[in-house]
Amino acid sequence: DQQVKQNSPSLSVQEGRISILNCDYTNSMFDYFLWYKKYPAEGPTFLISISSIKDKNEDGRFTVFLNKSAKHLSLHIVPSQPGDSAVYFCAALESGGYNKLIFGAGTRLAVHP
Amino acid sequence: KAGVTQTPRYLIKTRGQQVTLSCSPISGHRSVSWYQQTPGQGLQFLFEYFSETQRNKGNFPGRFSGRQFSNSRSEMNVSTLELGDSALYLCASTLEGQEAFFGQGTRLTVV
Repeated sequence: DQQVKQNSPSLSVQEGRISILNCDYTNSMFDYFLWYKKYPAEGPTFLISISSIKDKNEDGRFTVFLNKSAKHLSLHIVPSQPGDSAVYFCAALESGGYNKLIFGAGTRLAVHP
Repeated sequence: KAGVTQTPRYLIKTRGQQVTLSCSPISGHRSVSWYQQTPGQGLQFLFEYFSETQRNKGNFPGRFSGRQFSNSRSEMNVSTLELGDSALYLCASTLEGQEAFFGQGTRLTVV
């Protein structure tokens, strides 16, 4: 039972363009969402987060959008750079669930020069 | 400010053995969580400790256990290792209600 889904296993984008990574969730009790970037054999690196009381959060080149009615969030990277190439994980925290992160399967982003 | 430190980085064990992994959280973080990453199952939550108490546990067999010490350092133990336990084990530390910061992980190979 996947509560957090990233339906696109991979995404290829040209340098300078926008990268859009999508994530869907099924659990209405999730109230905090996070995006992590991960390289092979390393731990995930925190990128950006959003509370369920907001619909947008921006940090530099990264913006996360949350559509609660659709149970959908997306991460926009503008402009994309070759160094952004990695696997991106969407994760969610359940209200009252302490610090248990539920992760999606990840999307591998490749940014080409 | 030092990050999350996991030791060892790499480990090779034989089936049936047991293993202990260590995690030192970021100073001031009292919550430590453990995750397992495998190609087939992705990143899965193992358990979370806060002030030496296990607050949450994932869906893993009893062979997987953990503990937290008074200085917030944590260890996880896997007994009677199976081939399927080969994975990257990740530790994360959190200030309550905020983002989790991960260590580099321990790559466990069971042969």
